[in-house]
Amino acid sequence: DAGVTQSPTHLIKTRGQQVTLRCSPKSGHDTVSWYQQALGQGPQFIFQYYEEEERQRGNFPDRFSGHQFPNYSSELNVNALLLGDSALYLCASSRSRTEAFFGQGTRLTVV
Amino acid sequence: GIQVEQSPPDLILQEGANSTLRCNFSDSVNNLQWFHQNPWGQLINLFYIPSGTKQNGRLSATTVATERYSLLYISSSQTTDSGVYFCAVMDTGRRALTFGSGTRLQVQP
Repeated sequence: DAGVTQSPTHLIKTRGQQVTLRCSPKSGHDTVSWYQQALGQGPQFIFQYYEEEERQRGNFPDRFSGHQFPNYSSELNVNALLLGDSALYLCASSRSRTEAFFGQGTRLTVV
Repeated sequence: GIQVEQSPPDLILQEGANSTLRCNFSDSVNNLQWFHQNPWGQLINLFYIPSGTKQNGRLSATTVATERYSLLYISSSQTTDSGVYFCAVMDTGRRALTFGSGTRLQVQP
């Protein structure tokens, strides 16, 4: 079992650009959640996908959007990047409300 | 929303010492997890413990859901235990984890 995998591991983008991050869940998991972790802080919930629909959303602007595919993998898209979007982006997978497992994260730097 | 407070924020130990990390939460939860974040950012699952006590080697955890707190015990600490420990909870009205601000542990040889 490969666990939760994310790509890419590192990314550098310019302000105003758009970025897409990808996540493959752990085998047997149907729910994918995305979190943003700023330096020195705990992860903050962005949104959650289940059955290809956004089921719950945290306090993030509409510039943050996502998608879940029939194989349960997911993408996180961020438009009009700001310097403040620089962070570690973490993907977690689970079966419903049970134990969540995290990927290794994508470190995004906006310059 | 639910509030999660972790203490202490920072902890420095000598190798071999024991420690207790605390997590207080402000509402009923149906999921509580402890994680260790390594220097590369990976969150490693330590315990899934909405209630009761569990042990895994030198680590153990106890959650008293009725009193809204959880404790993580680390015994005979090693330098490899260094890193940030997070408590995360899922309250009954949500499906997402809310994280505390973490305890940064440094174990010195």
